[in-house]
Amino acid sequence: NAGVTQTPKFQVLKTGQSMTLQCAQDMNHNSMYWYRQDPGMGLRLIYYSASEGTTDKGEVPNGYNVSRLNKREFSLRLESAAPSQTSVYFCASSERGRPPYGYTFGSGTRLTVV
Amino acid sequence: DQQVKQNSPSLSVQEGRISILNCDYTNSMFDYFLWYKKYPAEGPTFLISISSIKDKNEDGRFTVFLNKSAKHLSLHIVPSQPGDSAVYFCAARTGGGADGLTFGKGTHLIIQP
Repeated sequence: NAGVTQTPKFQVLKTGQSMTLQCAQDMNHNSMYWYRQDPGMGLRLIYYSASEGTTDKGEVPNGYNVSRLNKREFSLRLESAAPSQTSVYFCASSERGRPPYGYTFGSGTRLTVV
Repeated sequence: DQQVKQNSPSLSVQEGRISILNCDYTNSMFDYFLWYKKYPAEGPTFLISISSIKDKNEDGRFTVFLNKSAKHLSLHIVPSQPGDSAVYFCAARTGGGADGLTFGKGTHLIIQP
């Protein structure tokens, strides 16, 4: 099925450990995004990539790095995990510049940092 | 400062009645507004959108109304069905770098049988 695939679906990390969240889309979209969702906070943008080879910070980038590996893949890395990074992470993609500008989201990665 | 606000964390509606979800915004530069629906353990899915140059957009049971002077939009669901129980996010487009969307905090809609 076409869409956005995120791996892993669940992860538990110890404080200070590192990990990379993977995201791949097969819709030939130019733009990709990483959001986190916390209770009562809605969806907040961490990083985005307008096109292959470019990345930019969003609203809450601290503690994260990203790599736009190619047009399909956009990974999110936590270098030294902290309990404050416990959250559900969503990757999304979109066809840049075309209405209705809706994103296609992955099913999320639930991350717990202990 | 929150630019997209959904002031009702939850809303309970009887099956068959109308559900009205509200959203307010502060940024006059928003040019497109979108609604997303999210079930537990799934990613949000796009529902309906409206351009800032329009005041209404309809798609089946879903209608979005935009009042630019009040900086307010609403999503109407008629008639409400059990499968509509979900969290609904309002989002707005700024037209920046990658069609960046700013999301509200969401409203949990519960359809009562």
